Amino acid sequence: QSALTQTASVSGSPGQSITISCTGTSSDVGGYNYVSWYQQHPGKAPKLLIYDVTNRPSGVSNRFSGSKSGNTASLTISGLQAEDEADYYCNSYTSSNTPAYVFGTGTKVTVL
Amino acid sequence: EVQLVESGGGLVQPGGSLRLSCAASGFSFNNYWMTWVRQTPGKGLEWVAHIKQDGSRVHYVDSVEGRFTISRDNAKNSLYLQMHSLRAEDTAIYFCARDLRSTGSFDIWGQGTMVTVSS
Repeated sequence: QSALTQTASVSGSPGQSITISCTGTSSDVGGYNYVSWYQQHPGKAPKLLIYDVTNRPSGVSNRFSGSKSGNTASLTISGLQAEDEADYYCNSYTSSNTPAYVFGTGTKVTVL
Repeated sequence: EVQLVESGGGLVQPGGSLRLSCAASGFSFNNYWMTWVRQTPGKGLEWVAHIKQDGSRVHYVDSVEGRFTISRDNAKNSLYLQMHSLRAEDTAIYFCARDLRSTGSFDIWGQGTMVTVSS
């Protein structure tokens, strides 16, 4: 299973909005509404931000939102804050080979 | 408190074996698919394996198929990953995680346990 493709790095100023993309194929992102997004600070475990493309778990800020168009999913962070500086990963169900899940390559978000 | 705690990591020689454990608390463990995810230091996340609530279905990433075995003991609220024929490329932090909706929505994670494969 090949990793989903994410932009290596994205930066923005406090208060701005940024969007992180996650590109796959019709066997994963495009074929199923099972895309999730994770935030990971250095030395910490990942944190679930979005599941099933658009849903936020309880306790996650509404500054984080998810969407999908074709084979590309997106995570938008609005009102960027210093604590949003972290690595972000997408994940999708995939029917390629063994039914399973595949993560994206990861995006480093820098708050300027 | 909802919690997952991994253990069992360490240094092992190439070709060796190791068994990781993940102790769950604070939720009904037998109601959820459970997953192992690994992360090479400084690199990205890789989904490794998952197991259905009753243990009747398991799946693995191709690179560990035939070498790793995921299992669970619902009576002990525990998840396991038996690893054989370990390779240098298996060196990583191994996390266990709960799948909230059985759709890859990993909402609870452990702190991770480090596995180093080296001679």
